[in-house]
Amino acid sequence: GDSVTQMEGPVTLSEEAFLTINCTYTATGYPSLFWYVQYPGEGLQLLLKATKADDKGSNKGFEATYRKETTSFHLEKGSVQVSDSAVYFCALRTSNTGKLIFGQGTTLQVKP
Amino acid sequence: EAQVTQNPRYLITVTGKKLTVTCSQNMNHEYMSWYRQDPGLGLRQIYYSMNVEVTDKGDVPEGYKVSRKEKRNFPLILESPSPNQTSLYFCASGQTSYEQYFGPGTRLTVT
Repeated sequence: GDSVTQMEGPVTLSEEAFLTINCTYTATGYPSLFWYVQYPGEGLQLLLKATKADDKGSNKGFEATYRKETTSFHLEKGSVQVSDSAVYFCALRTSNTGKLIFGQGTTLQVKP
Repeated sequence: EAQVTQNPRYLITVTGKKLTVTCSQNMNHEYMSWYRQDPGLGLRQIYYSMNVEVTDKGDVPEGYKVSRKEKRNFPLILESPSPNQTSLYFCASGQTSYEQYFGPGTRLTVT
């Protein structure tokens, strides 16, 4: 079945460091891909999305490119801030359904 | 203010005692969904609804029921809760499933 795999955390970085959180997926058809962020004590918020191969989603300095050839959707940010500390979830939506499948989440800790 | 609300936010109950967690959205969204979040497992979808009177199973529907009698509400019903349903539950809504807005969560403990 369809699935999403994320790199294990926690990921600990110093402020202004470069961030990469890996995400790979397995899916039939042509899924849409998402990154959600969960700040402490809150629900999830959509961070960015890409609906077809080679699309790049971007928001708040974060980027991710939909790579069909490597079935990946890695999240990147050039310079992280303490306020980026959160749990990040990669997710996919299978074609023509309302099902959303999440990865297990990656905790990011940014230290001043 | 556009929002998804859930009630209660915290609930401790005993095995077998029926309970309902309510979810309401004020954005006129067509799509609503329920998830549970467990450590190391991420979020898993329980049920979703593409529209009023239309509901479908997610990945972990066993032990749960839902109904969508009106667009704004999507209650989650546990007819006979068990300890393995102890979890953090999130309701979400969206005009479609592409962009979902999440509620604040309901932490349920079943003893």
